[in-house]
Amino acid sequence: GEEVAQTPKHLVRGEGQKAKLYCAPIKGHSYVFWYQQVLKNEFKFLISFQNENVFDETGMPKERFSAKCLPNSPCSLEIQATKLEDSAVYFCASSLGGKYEQFFGPGTRLTVL
Amino acid sequence: GESVGLHLPTLSVQEGDNSIINCAYSNSASDYFIWYKQESGKGPQFIIDIRSNMDKRQGQRVTVLLNKTVKHLSLQIAATQPGDSAVYFCAESATNKLIFGTGTLLAVQP
Repeated sequence: GEEVAQTPKHLVRGEGQKAKLYCAPIKGHSYVFWYQQVLKNEFKFLISFQNENVFDETGMPKERFSAKCLPNSPCSLEIQATKLEDSAVYFCASSLGGKYEQFFGPGTRLTVL
Repeated sequence: GESVGLHLPTLSVQEGDNSIINCAYSNSASDYFIWYKQESGKGPQFIIDIRSNMDKRQGQRVTVLLNKTVKHLSLQIAATQPGDSAVYFCAESATNKLIFGTGTLLAVQP
């Protein structure tokens, strides 16, 4: 597609439950990024992929967060055993190359109760 | 716990005036910079970018200035319109991930 698509738009989970978010990058873009935005302001980088390979995972809380970008499937970000502090909007972005404009999706709002 | 009422730096301008939004970046190794506009409930929308081999880049009604000496970036919006009201973020990149600055809320008064 010509836009980054993210599903679901909203996700509500009880503390300790699993959450899984999906992202379809723009067709032809080889890089995918995940960011977390807390309190409508701070963006935190989580992980990036070059095609299906992890490129940079320095922002991932590895104990509970995992992500994949498999061929012919949407990319996914999974949070095992969600915590209250995971409540945020999660954005996916894609780009043609490593230091090119990143196009953002509309985000998934995760609320952990 | 979560704050009630997030206070963003705010720039209030009259419709038709020019706006200048400033940003200080932290990493002297950053060589790619980008400005995004974020409207409520939406993802960041690309405005303009600049690489470190340039000092200035112009788009439609927007100009980005880069001062590497003092690690400062600015976004100038000419003839600001009500539709420009949003939160504006600068971001820097030394590798390929973006490091975002604190947003600035631009409020355009009619």
